[in-house]
Order: sequence, then C-alpha cells, then structure tokens
Amino acid sequence: DGGITQSPKYLFRKEGQNVTLSCEQNLNHDAMYWYRQDPGQGLRLIYYSQIVNDFQKGDIAEGYSVSREKKESFPLTVTSAQKNPTAFYLCASSIGRQGIQPQHFGDGTRLSIL
Amino acid sequence: AQSVTQPDIHITVSEGASLELRCNYSYGATPYLFWYVQSPGQGLQLLLKYFSGDTLVQGIKGFEAEFKRSQSSFNLRKPSVHWSDAAEYFCAVGAGNAGNMLTFGGGTRLMVKP
Repeated sequence: DGGITQSPKYLFRKEGQNVTLSCEQNLNHDAMYWYRQDPGQGLRLIYYSQIVNDFQKGDIAEGYSVSREKKESFPLTVTSAQKNPTAFYLCASSIGRQGIQPQHFGDGTRLSIL
Repeated sequence: AQSVTQPDIHITVSEGASLELRCNYSYGATPYLFWYVQSPGQGLQLLLKYFSGDTLVQGIKGFEAEFKRSQSSFNLRKPSVHWSDAAEYFCAVGAGNAGNMLTFGGGTRLMVKP
C-alpha cells in the first residue's frame, strides 16, 4: 500500500544536539511538507518542498533545516538553535500539480527533550 | 492571507446524538476546504473536501459538510455519533494564490459519552 512513513515514532534530544526526523513517501507525490503540532495550536508549517532540490520556509522555520535530494524523501533536522523542540511533528505530501490538492499525512514523530 | 477559525475547542456529545462542528474561514475568493480527523498519536486522515459544485459534500465514516459562502462557513455534520468518532477534527482552507498550501484551524476535540 502507498503511504507516508515517518520514523522514529518517538525521539529524545539532549541539549545542544541536532536530531533528524525521517519522512519517506511512495505515493509518487511531488510536494512534501513538515508541520509542527502543539496542544491547542493546530498545525504550523515548518518547511515545504514542491519539487526535488527545492524547498521553502514556512511560518516557523527558525531552528529547523530540511533537504530534498530525492522525490521520496524529505528529512527534517531539528537543530540546537530550536530552543523549544518538544512537539509532535507531522510530515505530509500531495500530488503537487497546479491547484490545491489534499495532503496525505504520516503518523508523526513525537520529539521530547531529555 | 487566508485563515480558519474553529470556535469550539472541545465538544462532548452522547453516543447516537447528532454532531455539528463549526468552521469559519477568511478568504477573498472561492476557497478549497477540507476536514481532517486525527486520533491520538496518529496523523491526519482526510474526511472530505470541497472544491466546487454541490455545496453539500459527503465524506467517509458517514460525515458530511456544507459550504455556505454567505456565512464563510464549512461545518461538519454527522447524524448519529459513534464512540469511535472521538478524536480531534481539523478544518483547513487552501487558496489558489498560495500554491498548494493549506491553513489549518486550531482543531476541535470531540468526546463521546456512552
């Protein structure tokens, strides 16, 4: 079955450490997204990529970095510059053709600080 | 820029009762509208979408939503709620002038009483 796989499901970060969250999709979608979810705040867009080797900052990109070297993969690195990284992180993808298309979501990674 | 408001943070209904979750959006042109559902610790699943045409749209799991342009609303309804419907529900709007970006509301948490 096609879908989006996020790993790991739970991740712990020490102070001063960078951690990378994995997102892989086999839906042949062009566009991929990273969201951060905090209780009571809905989803906030961190980064998005409409095509391989290109990505743009979302609303809360500070302290995060991404890469898009392959169509299937869009890893998110939470750097030590992100002072409050504890949250639930969701990766999504969409077909990406012109116009609005539904986004399909992975099951998320919960990041906590040790 | 578009925005979405879900006025009810929490709603509790009895099993078998009807349900209506409110969603109001702000956007100058015809929006693309979505409802998603999220079970605890999971990603978001698309319930239904409105792009154009019939303003009453049917979705999965017995849900429907009605687009009312005059009220800038896209409320989600279900005639008879089941205990398994307990989850968090998110309304989202996409704008044609914003690529494939979606803006999400803050969510409504639904609890179902036996």
